[in-house]
Amino acid sequence: DGGITQSPKYLFRKEGQNVTLSCEQNLNHDAMYWYRQDPGQGLRLIYYSQIVNDFQKGDIAEGYSVSREKKESFPLTVTSAQKNPTAFYLCASSAMTNTQYFGPGTRLTVL
Amino acid sequence: QKEVEQDPGPLSVPEGAIVSLNCTYSNSAFQYFMWYRQYSRKGPELLMYTYSSGNKEDGRFTAQVDKSSKYISLFIRDSQPSDSATYLCAMSAGSNYQLIWGAGTKLIIKP
Repeated sequence: DGGITQSPKYLFRKEGQNVTLSCEQNLNHDAMYWYRQDPGQGLRLIYYSQIVNDFQKGDIAEGYSVSREKKESFPLTVTSAQKNPTAFYLCASSAMTNTQYFGPGTRLTVL
Repeated sequence: QKEVEQDPGPLSVPEGAIVSLNCTYSNSAFQYFMWYRQYSRKGPELLMYTYSSGNKEDGRFTAQVDKSSKYISLFIRDSQPSDSATYLCAMSAGSNYQLIWGAGTKLIIKP
């Protein structure tokens, strides 16, 4: 079954803690994306990567970091510098077109 | 002013009604237009994809693009309670460009 998986589904973070969200795809897509979704605000792009070992900042990259060491994987780290991390995080991939396919999401809550 | 405007709703209609969802945009360079459906606490799924102007039909769904008015629509015929979801529009200027997202319209179909 081809698709995008995200884990965990729910994640809780304490103040001052870094957490890493996992995103894996077996669609052989070159491009991968991380979005943040808050109620009533649609999707905001955090980071994207069009090729292994390369990635670019999106509109709201501050307080986040990513890596792209493998084509299939694009983990997102929410650092302690992100002051308001509670949100729904979505990972997507595309085959170098603008049609993006999404994973099921991770809901992050700060305690 | 946002590049893409979408009424957040909620839009509540009775089962069987025809639903019209809309987005307006300001960038005349947009050529690729998409509609995604997102159920609560899930990732968005691609519903319709159109290039340039015109209509596209897929079952009960019709996507319409009016580039002269910078206006796109999604029509749902014979609406069902299972159509209750948030509908996001997205668009881009080229096949290798980032998607620009609307905020999403929450649709409720009442049995």
